[in-house]
Amino acid sequence: EVQLVQSGAEVKKPGESLKISCKGSGYSFTRYWIGWVRQMPGKGLEWMGIIYPDDSDTRYSPSFQGQVTVSVDKSISTAYLQWGNLKASDTAMYYCAKSAAARPYFDSWGQGTLVTVSS
Amino acid sequence: EIVMTQSPATLSVSPGERATLSCRASQSVSSHLAWYQQKPGQAPRLIIYGASTRATGFPARFSGSGSGTEFTLTISSLQSEDFALYYCQQYNNWPLTFGGGTKVEIK
Repeated sequence: EVQLVQSGAEVKKPGESLKISCKGSGYSFTRYWIGWVRQMPGKGLEWMGIIYPDDSDTRYSPSFQGQVTVSVDKSISTAYLQWGNLKASDTAMYYCAKSAAARPYFDSWGQGTLVTVSS
Repeated sequence: EIVMTQSPATLSVSPGERATLSCRASQSVSSHLAWYQQKPGQAPRLIIYGASTRATGFPARFSGSGSGTEFTLTISSLQSEDFALYYCQQYNNWPLTFGGGTKVEIK
């Protein structure tokens, strides 16, 4: 069974850094893209970025380029989303999701990580 | 960037009726269009990919159609468990983009 298990909820202050994780199991981790999607409270889905674990090929949405870093440690089948300088506007639910085959639509999703940024 | 526009924002439908959701792309995405369902407090689930191929676990009452810039998700006879948010996503070009969503609510 394919599973994506994300790290737990976080409460941070503005200006702090954060790295959340997404561990894949039940499939060949290196062969499928892992993407990150933001959902702000009461809002829709926003694609942030994506990484191909085998060679770390990474793409970003222009809206998030330079604001976050997507990375992967394929030795432990885990992808990461990282911020260096959190803002209150980063408060949201963040999902990781596995692509299907060679195309980046998402057939399996993590349970989500709620990030709250507040002073 | 390809802009995906979904309509209507909210669709009020009675159980047993048909629901038709639309998704329009600002430029052609061929058939590289996916639909997702999201229920409150849950992660999205893939319903349709390739514009018309149903994902595992979704019943035949869900169908997708269209190509190029115009797409439709049809739920032929709404069941109670189908009342949810629905999003389209294009994966023809980087950056990937989602539509703003359609909420299907009970009339």
